[in-house]
Amino acid sequence: IAGITQAPTSQILAAGRRMTLRCTQDMRHNAMYWYRQDLGLGLRLIHYSNTAGTTGKGEVPDGYSVSRANTDDFPLTLASAVPSQTSVYFCASSVGLGDYNEQFFGPGTRLTVL
Amino acid sequence: GQNIDQPTEMTATEGAIVQINCTYQTSGFNGLFWYQQHAGEAPTFLSYNVLDGLEEKGRFSSFLSRSKGYSYLLLKELQMKDSASYLCAAMDSNYQLIWGAGTKLIIKP
Repeated sequence: IAGITQAPTSQILAAGRRMTLRCTQDMRHNAMYWYRQDLGLGLRLIHYSNTAGTTGKGEVPDGYSVSRANTDDFPLTLASAVPSQTSVYFCASSVGLGDYNEQFFGPGTRLTVL
Repeated sequence: GQNIDQPTEMTATEGAIVQINCTYQTSGFNGLFWYQQHAGEAPTFLSYNVLDGLEEKGRFSSFLSRSKGYSYLLLKELQMKDSASYLCAAMDSNYQLIWGAGTKLIIKP
């Protein structure tokens, strides 16, 4: 692995189903982030983690949960998917939380909730 | 509230120069980032400014005025591969990035 990987690449999901989006990085970055990107809107932060074992809520956390059991993995779970969660989801990481901390992005997961 | 404004779309000619403007309002400020995003791909980092002035990096330059809450990205010698969306993001007092909706740049031959 080089950088950040996300799985699946895309998914069509029935409303009410549970779904986990996976994110793994091999750069030993401390901070990780989940964003959603919708047409006409900027990237919106869902949840973040400053370091393994800690997580925090972003701008749009409702309906999503995360965990950070180790440095490399940061899964995002939709407990009961709704159509408004149709979006492209990007995972990102940075060395730490602070100024001049460039964020590196995974390739994204395109999720459609019907 | 926190807000980032940038034009939705711009068109320029191959070989020319284009300037993409961004204005920001954030709770605290810890720097201004520009990212490039090709259609269907992930954003990639272009530049970071935290002090006033111009930062030059090859064909791309980025400018910041903290007093005006204003930044621009300048692209010179435009190439067809520069057709992409350019995302402006300001880092707030909590070190979170507040993102603009992006400027779609269309390059014509």
